Amino acid sequence: RKEVEQDPGPFNVPEGATVAFNCTYSNSASQSFFWYRQDCRKEPKLLMSVYSSGNEDGRFTAQLNRASQYISLLIRDSKLSDSATYLCVVNNFNKFYFGSGTKLNVKP
Amino acid sequence: DAEITQSPRHKITETGRQVTLACHQTWNHNNMFWYRQDLGHGLRLIHYSYGVQDTNKGEVSDGYSVSRSNTEDLPLTLESAASSQTSVYFCASTEGLAGYTQYFGPGTRLTVL
Repeated sequence: RKEVEQDPGPFNVPEGATVAFNCTYSNSASQSFFWYRQDCRKEPKLLMSVYSSGNEDGRFTAQLNRASQYISLLIRDSKLSDSATYLCVVNNFNKFYFGSGTKLNVKP
Repeated sequence: DAEITQSPRHKITETGRQVTLACHQTWNHNNMFWYRQDLGHGLRLIHYSYGVQDTNKGEVSDGYSVSRSNTEDLPLTLESAASSQTSVYFCASTEGLAGYTQYFGPGTRLTVL
């Protein structure tokens, strides 16, 4: 079983839509959680860390559910510039594990 | 500004040749990582280092080696390149581990013919 699993998508949404991604992780002892954004052929860049209480950064909201071992990312009022692949990242035992990514296409 | 760089950005080589990919960071981070990214697999850890003279194998380390002689650099060597090693390679560094963000270099696109 993979350490981190994501729905690969693609999610095709119109501008202004709200879209949500989920990610599940297998190790209940995992310590920290992140969402990264990756544009085509570029390096991953941190979008936001995910805290136990949930956290928000502008149009982006991340939540962690330790009991069910999943994290989520909600994007409100989607912009064309949000089109990218979103990677779920989990840290446990001092290693980082990456999901395969969920592709988002925001269309005019 | 502090940064992490990789070179070369693109490389084409032949099967059986030795290839070294460079990674250099100016954040003075102790922890450095090498990943490869292939379609359908996401990023997979090749090798990592928690400090000078420390190196560790990741999940896909066969055919690769690293050395850490200073804080800034973690070169990745393909001892005898194989076509299965055609991939995009990313180097990353982080100040700490649990709870700390990884910063990635721009990547090296390697093609083995």
